[in-house]
Amino acid sequence: SSELTQDPAVSVALGQTVRITCQGDSLRNFYAWYQQKPGQAPVLVTYGKNNRPSRTPDRFSGSSSGNTAYLTITGAQAEDEADYYCNSRGRSGFVVFGGGTKLTVL
Amino acid sequence: EVQVVDSGGGLVQPGGSLRLSCAASGFTVSSNYMSWVRLGPGKGLECVSVIYPIGATYYADSVKGRFTISRDNSKNTVFLQMNNLRTEDTAVYYCARANFYAGFPFFDSWGQGALVTVSS
Repeated sequence: SSELTQDPAVSVALGQTVRITCQGDSLRNFYAWYQQKPGQAPVLVTYGKNNRPSRTPDRFSGSSSGNTAYLTITGAQAEDEADYYCNSRGRSGFVVFGGGTKLTVL
Repeated sequence: EVQVVDSGGGLVQPGGSLRLSCAASGFTVSSNYMSWVRLGPGKGLECVSVIYPIGATYYADSVKGRFTISRDNSKNTVFLQMNNLRTEDTAVYYCARANFYAGFPFFDSWGQGALVTVSS
């Protein structure tokens, strides 16, 4: 099992807010989030304390509390339907990824 | 513009070998942490190998002793030699550049992926 735990699937109504969670070791206070659409490469969405690459829409935000990281999408759009993965430093490896969350926009 | 382009995937029988290539542009691979991350069918992402700027390497337990990561600085290219392939190695393999924030690694540039299918 992964060191980082994500809900397998989450759904949100179009235009509503959704929070995707990633639970892990409390010693890890850094998480990054990636979006992956079918047949495409993962794309970095946020990293660290809500840092976003320039191409990431500002409706995406990252945060954390204790041993849980959150990716919040405020006003979800149809194009946000994708798999989302969190990552942090691995306990014994270079990095560890969560199992992924499939986001459905209704 | 920072870009990585993967190539070299294909169909191979169990026990066979394959070499993946990752050509980078817009940055120098020898100055960066370059990685191979795979996505298997019905599985999540897994970082299988990393080559550090100093030349040190990391391998996930699942591929240790079978995969070898290397780079050709003159071609600004990273390779993943995969030997003794198993059916469970079937995946899309992505080349990715690792960056760091406060000492924590993340991946800021990804190739388009190379499909490796291990089947008899």
